[in-house]
Amino acid sequence: AQSVTQLDSQVPVFEEAPVELRCNYSSSVSVYLFWYVQYPNQGLQLLLKYLSGSTLVKGINGFEAEFNKSQTSFHLRKPSVHISDTAEYFCAVSDTFTGGGNKLTFGTGTQLKVEL
Amino acid sequence: DGGITQSPKYLFRKEGQNVTLSCEQNLNHDAMYWYRQDPGQGLRLIYYSQIVNDFQKGDIAEGYSVSREKKESFPLTVTSAQKNPTAFYLCASSYKGGSTEAFFGQGTRLTVV
Repeated sequence: AQSVTQLDSQVPVFEEAPVELRCNYSSSVSVYLFWYVQYPNQGLQLLLKYLSGSTLVKGINGFEAEFNKSQTSFHLRKPSVHISDTAEYFCAVSDTFTGGGNKLTFGTGTQLKVEL
Repeated sequence: DGGITQSPKYLFRKEGQNVTLSCEQNLNHDAMYWYRQDPGQGLRLIYYSQIVNDFQKGDIAEGYSVSREKKESFPLTVTSAQKNPTAFYLCASSYKGGSTEAFFGQGTRLTVV
């Protein structure tokens, strides 16, 4: 069974500082990896995804993530955060149900709090 | 605009009552999903459907039921058998295949009073 571990439940950071949100996954097969962002009382929005190819993936809002197969990690980074980046971030690994469909397994989330 | 619509946004239920959460999508996606979100636990899959008139249990299906009579609609009923129904419920949809992203609705917050 697949699993996702987000090592930090909360990450406080000052505005304009860099940030890294950590994600490790467990899977015995090739995986597809995703980062989603959730603002308070809203649904999830896709930030970026890794399917194959280049291990450095760029997403929206200046975020990027690096896939590291040997360390089974998919850490999310941003070189300079803004107050509007305050949100909860979820890492997810995907597999395919028999017959199609997208089985997403989520981590427990990391609350990013950007302070002035 | 294409997307997923969940209604209502907030829902209050008395203990012992069944309640139905609505989810509609106009993205022409075959697959639809219901997740439950609790603080510190991430998202857990309740039910999913890959085609009309077919659905499968997820990891925490007990106390819930669904139907998929139309491609666009996937309502979730929280029954009185669900012991702890207060939570944030998210509906999602996607094309088939593990490499496709899931699109999420804005969620319904259910509170049992």
